[in-house]
Amino acid sequence: SAVISQKPSRDICQRGTSLTIQCQVDSQVTMMFWYRQQPGQSLTLIATANQGSEATYESGFVIDKFPISRPNLTFSTLTVSNMSPEDSSIYLCSVGGGAAETQYFGPGTRLLVL
Amino acid sequence: SQELEQSPQSLIVQEGKNLTINCTSSKTLYGLYWYKQKYGEGLIFLMMLQKGGEEKSHEKITAKLDEKKQQSSLHITASQPSHAGIYLCGAPGNQFYFGTGTSLTVIP
Repeated sequence: SAVISQKPSRDICQRGTSLTIQCQVDSQVTMMFWYRQQPGQSLTLIATANQGSEATYESGFVIDKFPISRPNLTFSTLTVSNMSPEDSSIYLCSVGGGAAETQYFGPGTRLLVL
Repeated sequence: SQELEQSPQSLIVQEGKNLTINCTSSKTLYGLYWYKQKYGEGLIFLMMLQKGGEEKSHEKITAKLDEKKQQSSLHITASQPSHAGIYLCGAPGNQFYFGTGTSLTVIP
């Protein structure tokens, strides 16, 4: 199993500012995923972060808006840049998945942009 | 890509009633996960099913994966207010796919 922690757990931010969310895993993992859950909607994958390479972004998400760092096999950050109220969501990091693996999720970061 | 459709989208039940949530996949499932999310919080892993016909239970929640491995159902017996939340099915593929979600409200 994997234990995942995220910081901050929640934040209230002003529009135009940026917030960096940290994700720490208690074991080394190759792939980490960042998801967004907007109010009343299901989870949406933002990007996949592999250590040592550029993150792969899903359609509708760009690096300038959501830069990701993956400096080692246990840590990743997601920055939400130049925030607007539409960015108000819960952001979750995740590891695992694939045909035979359980997907593990962090507790999430609840972001409110005013 | 794979699509997972859940039904119903939302459910309001009286405490003590039984209920079922369905998850239908557009492709064969090689693993099906059920999660619960309390409002405003992160996901909680409930159970994973891999074999066609497999059924698993945890407390008052039972999940089943049909023989053809394209549909799963989650059944809650004698629902309680603590069961309220959003239930999501998920499946691995090229990425991890999530269902559309079912919002459950249990009225005391």
